[in-house]
Amino acid sequence: AQSVTQLGSHVSVSEGALVLLRCNYSSSVPPYLFWYVQYPNQGLQLLLKYTSAATLVKGINGFEAEFKKSETSFHLTKPSAHMSDAAEYFCAVSLYDKVIFGPGTSLSVIP
Amino acid sequence: GAVVSQHPSWVICKSGTSVKIECRSLDFQATTMFWYRQFPKQSLMLMATSNEGSKATYEQGVEKDKFLINHASLTLSTLTVTSAHPEDSSFYICSARERLAGWTDTQYFGPGTRLTVL
Repeated sequence: AQSVTQLGSHVSVSEGALVLLRCNYSSSVPPYLFWYVQYPNQGLQLLLKYTSAATLVKGINGFEAEFKKSETSFHLTKPSAHMSDAAEYFCAVSLYDKVIFGPGTSLSVIP
Repeated sequence: GAVVSQHPSWVICKSGTSVKIECRSLDFQATTMFWYRQFPKQSLMLMATSNEGSKATYEQGVEKDKFLINHASLTLSTLTVTSAHPEDSSFYICSARERLAGWTDTQYFGPGTRLTVL
């Protein structure tokens, strides 16, 4: 069975600091992995996805994530946080017909 | 491209009434659509998967008679909450999957519908 864990339900960073949001997955076969962002009372926006083409995936808004099979991780990073990055971030794993979401990490950016 | 819309964006109804939520893929054909439910400060929980022209597949614990799903065309799926009660109040989000050449599971999400049952 697939599952996703996100370490840290809430992360605070200073504006301009590195953003690191952690995601670990479990899957019996190589999955597709995603990061989504959700702003209050809105749907989900796809930040980036891993589909086995390259282990380092670049997404929108300066975010990137690295797939590490040995660590079953897919952590999301951004070199310099911006106030507009404050939102809820969800890591998700997909295999065939279902997408399983992690519990989410709320990112706060301190001026 | 790959835009999914939902209507209405929010709805308030009385207990015991039924509410229909529409999910449309605006610029692509969606053979499969998904319905999620999200409680405040929580993650998305998959309720059901609908494939165009066939019956929806419900996740364990989701009442199929309460949450009626219809996927009548390649661009429209509807979720009807029948005899709604306050505990059905939630944020309902749909997504649609575009089948490309090869195998991909990218889902595009709608903006969500906030349901409040009084």
